[in-house]
Amino acid sequence: AQTVTQSQPEMSVQEAETVTLSCTYDTSESDYYLFWYKQPPSRQMILVIRQEAYKQQNATENRFSVNFQKAAKSFSLKISDSQLGDAAMYFCAYRSAYGNKLVFGAGTILRVKS
Amino acid sequence: GAGVSQTPSNKVTEKGKYVELRCDPISGHTALYWYRQSLGQGPEFLIYFQGTGAADDSGLPNDRFFAVRPEGSVSTLKIQRTERGDSAVYLCASSAPRLAGGTDTQYFGPGTRLTVL
Repeated sequence: AQTVTQSQPEMSVQEAETVTLSCTYDTSESDYYLFWYKQPPSRQMILVIRQEAYKQQNATENRFSVNFQKAAKSFSLKISDSQLGDAAMYFCAYRSAYGNKLVFGAGTILRVKS
Repeated sequence: GAGVSQTPSNKVTEKGKYVELRCDPISGHTALYWYRQSLGQGPEFLIYFQGTGAADDSGLPNDRFFAVRPEGSVSTLKIQRTERGDSAVYLCASSAPRLAGGTDTQYFGPGTRLTVL
């Protein structure tokens, strides 16, 4: 079974600075998708970024980018120019290309200081 | 269009009671998922529907949990004889399969917080 590990329960960043959230995963499959979701106190899970494992190029969405290291099974999220609205719980998630369910990590709470 | 909606937003019930949680997916999304999120943890998969049928119910913890999607749109998660350990946020998500021109990315609703006293 696949597992996702987020080793940082909590992170803090100063407004306008850059922060990196870590995620590692375990799988024997070669074809899969990885995601970062943001969950603010409203509980609404919002997709931040998505990466297909067959793509070597790291995904980027505005201030959010990932460092995808397939051999190391690592998928970190970098948030540049952090804003107060970025404060939330961030979840890393895995989905097999042959399945449908998402497997989530335990999450990292991101606090943004003004 | 409108996103995934879930009702009620909060539900408080007593141990042993029966509860129903409702999910309205994004219009046109044929795939629907239920997850359970306990306090301080990531969501855990419960069940996946493709159309009206449950394609994967491997995450349902026991036979007290049941879900339906009779017309391929709205889904109801049903919990019988609730226990205190069932207290959690129940999240619903929907997606449009790639064959239908979608990206199969799952879009989530705001969840229902269930508290069993």
